Amino acid sequence: AQSVSQHNHHVILSEAASLELGCNYSYGGTVNLFWYVQYPGQHLQLLLKYFSGDPLVKGIKGFEAEFIKSKFSFNLRKPSVQWSDTAEYFCAVNALGNEKLTFGTGTRLTIIP
Amino acid sequence: GAGVSQTPSNKVTEKGKYVELRCDPISGHTALYWYRQSLGQGPEFLIYFQGTGAADDSGLPNDRFFAVRPEGSVSTLKIQRTERGDSAVYLCASSQKYNEQFFGPGTRLTVL
Repeated sequence: AQSVSQHNHHVILSEAASLELGCNYSYGGTVNLFWYVQYPGQHLQLLLKYFSGDPLVKGIKGFEAEFIKSKFSFNLRKPSVQWSDTAEYFCAVNALGNEKLTFGTGTRLTIIP
Repeated sequence: GAGVSQTPSNKVTEKGKYVELRCDPISGHTALYWYRQSLGQGPEFLIYFQGTGAADDSGLPNDRFFAVRPEGSVSTLKIQRTERGDSAVYLCASSQKYNEQFFGPGTRLTVL
């Protein structure tokens, strides 16, 4: 069975700072990888996904993530955060051909204006 | 277009009661998923439907939990003899097969 670790539980940054949120997964086979975001009072929505191909994927709102297979990692990055990025961020994985998603515990991001 | 909808948005019940939670997926999505999210945790998989049949119910915690999707669209998650530990946000998602999952707003269940 797969598992996902997000080591940063709460990150506080000032506007314009650079962001990197860690995500590591545990699974021996081929995986699909996702980052979901939950803004205050809203439902989960997809930021970006990796299925195959270029390991550097770009998502909405200037976010990107890099899949490093040798490190079992899929870290989320943004060069310059905005106050509106304040939200909870979840990394998720599913094994190829298996639809169910396994989520990490989430990272709460607070951006200080 | 319309997203995934869930009703009710909030449900408060007493220990031992029966509850039903409803999910309306995005039109045309063949796959439907139920997850449960407890405070401070990420969503945990419960069950997945492909069409009318449950393709994977390995996440259902025990036999008090049951879900149906009789016509391949709307789904109902049913919880019998509710316990305080069942309190959580129950999330529904839908997708085209092997594609991203779109989540609904969830039903917050509180068992007193």
